Amino acid sequence: QAQLVESGGGLVKPGGSLRLSCAASGFTFSDYYMSWIRQAPGKGLEWVAYISSRSSYINYADSVKGRFTISRDNAKNSLYLQMNSLRADDTAVYYCARAANHYDTSGCDYWGQGTLVTVSS
Amino acid sequence: QSVLTQPPSASGTPGQRVTISCSGSSSNIRKNTVNWYQQLPGTAPKLLIYSDNQRPSGVPDRFSGSKSGTSASLAISGLQSEDEADYYCAAWDDSLNGVVFGGGTKLTVL
Repeated sequence: QAQLVESGGGLVKPGGSLRLSCAASGFTFSDYYMSWIRQAPGKGLEWVAYISSRSSYINYADSVKGRFTISRDNAKNSLYLQMNSLRADDTAVYYCARAANHYDTSGCDYWGQGTLVTVSS
Repeated sequence: QSVLTQPPSASGTPGQRVTISCSGSSSNIRKNTVNWYQQLPGTAPKLLIYSDNQRPSGVPDRFSGSKSGTSASLAISGLQSEDEADYYCAAWDDSLNGVVFGGGTKLTVL
């Protein structure tokens, strides 16, 4: 059974940095596109970024472009999100999710439990 | 303001059939497949419908999806109390070159 476990969330001051990790198990991680998706408290889902199976294709939401960097280490079955220049509106639960098919990254069949990032002074 | 538009709320009584709409545009729903997610309180989203109308294994056939033009719908028949959750539609957007979500619909079972 596929499993995704996020870590690295916490409280950070505006302008600060944080690195999220997502440990994958139960499937061949290197075969799948992966995404980060976030959800602000009491709000809806917002896609953040995706990365292809071999890191050849990467894209970001406009709201995080230039500040966040998605990466992966297939040897370690891990996905990362480096978040810099954090702002209050980045406060959210961050989920890593597996795209069921490489041709449709909007269809994520496995999600982690999420990690909370709070940006506040 | 979400790119895909959903009603903020929907409701029904046990046993009823409820539909939730998702309105988009030619750059997302018309050209690309639609997925639906169910999010129970305090949990991560779960893929409910993929590729417009396909159910992952384990999802009851009470849940069905459809699409026409720039709109999609999720139908839930034989409504049950455990269906009370938030529902989100999602699709790839060619203009934004990214994934777009609907704002979510909170389903209440009366």
